[in-house]
Amino acid sequence: ETGVTQSPTHLIKTRGQQVTLRCSSQSGHNTVSWYQQALGQGPQFIFQYYREEENGRGNFPPRFSGLQFPNYSSELNVNALELDDSALYLCASSSRLAGDGEQFFGPGTRLTVL
Amino acid sequence: GESVGLHLPTLSVQEGDNSIINCAYSNSASDYFIWYKQESGKGPQFIIDIRSNMDKRQGQRVTVLLNKTVKHLSLQIAATQPGDSAVYFCAENIQAGTALIFGKGTTLSVSS
Repeated sequence: ETGVTQSPTHLIKTRGQQVTLRCSSQSGHNTVSWYQQALGQGPQFIFQYYREEENGRGNFPPRFSGLQFPNYSSELNVNALELDDSALYLCASSSRLAGDGEQFFGPGTRLTVL
Repeated sequence: GESVGLHLPTLSVQEGDNSIINCAYSNSASDYFIWYKQESGKGPQFIIDIRSNMDKRQGQRVTVLLNKTVKHLSLQIAATQPGDSAVYFCAENIQAGTALIFGKGTTLSVSS
């Protein structure tokens, strides 16, 4: 059983650019959630995808968008990057079918916006 | 062992002591609670969970206590080891599997 993987591990962008982060969910999991973790803070929920549709969204602007693919992998896209977008972006997968709430996190992508 | 009644951002203990990390959660409607451990440069790692219909749950060396009256959650670690050094977060779900709301983390430092 493979765990949650994310790519890339690190990324440096400049203000105004766009970025795409990728996540492969754990085998057997059909739900992917994305979180933003600023330095020294707890993760903050961005949105969740289930069956390729957004299924809940946190307090993030529309320039944060996502996709989920038929194989349950997911992408997080951020447009018009701002300096405050610098953070660790975490992906977590879970299984609705299992009926529990345990979310398994990947190692994250460290995004730096200059 | 070390214990704290209120949330503290850091907790320092000696190896072998028992540690207690506290957390206040925000929503009385939350049904599911989880403790995560996050080591430097890594994603959060699941430790233990508890549902709102329970007040205590035990795992290997860890115990979670839930007090719904005061919206308080605690994590007890028995015989703390240097490998337990990390940042610990509590998280809540209104419904299991939906958005996790994380509390303030506590940095646990274990000295040998």
